[in-house]
Amino acid sequence: SQTIHQWPATLVQPVGSPLSLECTVEGTSNPNLYWYRQAAGRGLQLLFYSVGIGQISSEVPQNLSASRPQDRQFILSSKKLLLSDSGFYLCAWGRGETQYFGPGTRLLVL
Amino acid sequence: RKEVEQDPGPFNVPEGATVAFNCTYSNSASQSFFWYRQDCRKEPKLLMSVYSSGNEDGRFTAQLNRASQYISLLIRDSKLSDSATYLCAVNIPPSGYSTLTFGKGTMLLVSP
Repeated sequence: SQTIHQWPATLVQPVGSPLSLECTVEGTSNPNLYWYRQAAGRGLQLLFYSVGIGQISSEVPQNLSASRPQDRQFILSSKKLLLSDSGFYLCAWGRGETQYFGPGTRLLVL
Repeated sequence: RKEVEQDPGPFNVPEGATVAFNCTYSNSASQSFFWYRQDCRKEPKLLMSVYSSGNEDGRFTAQLNRASQYISLLIRDSKLSDSATYLCAVNIPPSGYSTLTFGKGTMLLVSP
């Protein structure tokens, strides 16, 4: 069966610091991968998606970036965090249009 | 009009009640529809897909109304454990590569 892992589970970072969140998927090959952010009181916002190694599409302009160095690995990064980057970051994998979410990383930027 | 809209609730119902939520979508070309359940501070979990013919899974029934552009979720015989936020998800063409747009969710609170 497929499993999806994210780490860390929680993170507290100062404004201006860098960020790296990692997501890995097991039990499937060549999945579509997605990064979402869910801020307090807001819905799920799609940030990036990837259909293959090195292929990244950005949905919203921001100070975040994503990379897919391996088929089952998806990384979300920032060089300098903003207060507005606080939120619940969710990675998802999909085949077709069904998506399955990882446990998420709760990020607080102070 | 927002792409995907849900009544945020909360819907407060007693155990054993039947409750229904709707989710409206703006793009008549949308083809894929889903309901997810999200517990507090947890990730969304797929509850069910919504097919043109409807879909039933135990106490849960999902239906699609293309003419009025909404999907619905009916929960029968509500349990305390059904308390959660229910998110609908829709693909919005011409979005690329199987992307979904999520509603903000409807909160359900089932009381004893």
